[in-house]
Amino acid sequence: GAGVSQSPRYKVAKRGQDVALRCDPISGHVSLFWYQQALGQGPEFLTYFQNEAQLDKSGLPSDRFFAERPEGSVSTLKIQRTQQEDSAVYLCASSFRLAGEITDTQYFGPGTRLTVL
Amino acid sequence: GNSVTQMEGPVTLSEEAFLTINCTYTATGYPSLFWYVQYPGEGLQLLLKATKADDKGSNKGFEATYRKETTSFHLEKGSVQVSDSAVYFCALIMIKAAGNKLTFGGGTRVLVKP
Repeated sequence: GAGVSQSPRYKVAKRGQDVALRCDPISGHVSLFWYQQALGQGPEFLTYFQNEAQLDKSGLPSDRFFAERPEGSVSTLKIQRTQQEDSAVYLCASSFRLAGEITDTQYFGPGTRLTVL
Repeated sequence: GNSVTQMEGPVTLSEEAFLTINCTYTATGYPSLFWYVQYPGEGLQLLLKATKADDKGSNKGFEATYRKETTSFHLEKGSVQVSDSAVYFCALIMIKAAGNKLTFGGGTRVLVKP
């Protein structure tokens, strides 16, 4: 079946603009994660959803960052009033949490590369 | 907090050479450990994992053993190919009810020359 998809793949924004990044997880996956990957670094956790519930948003760097998953499938990461330090690749991952399996694999999308000028 | 440290790259090797990428972790508790790989132009893919001490994860000729006493999870491959050129990330998860967020190391770029 199809993997995790993200759109757009590339986004250029002027400083101060709002952006919205979309993630389509693998069908049936209940868990969805957003990560931020700065150039030359490892991904860092932003937020986590279980179905439509946002259970952990401890990694969001500021109140300009907002994520939602209203119907428990597609998720949108919104960044308001973008700043140059927001330039990064934003990765989405999903997993199907099987009952009794304590560590289920996270499947990653290709990412959205955001450049803020 | 939890953290992962891995050797900096780039690591440049000739085909058929032996590859080792060191990874150590700090965690308050008992994590599960992972290696992810990012090939040029592609997304992150799980390479292998281990969930308890002395477990060995293996895939595509790569191996890593969960060493609790040294808090390490070093990645090895006996004979690399050009197609193994990629960025490799070591990562951990602390299992908890609210979700399994990954904590990644900084990544190690590997370049295999023919």
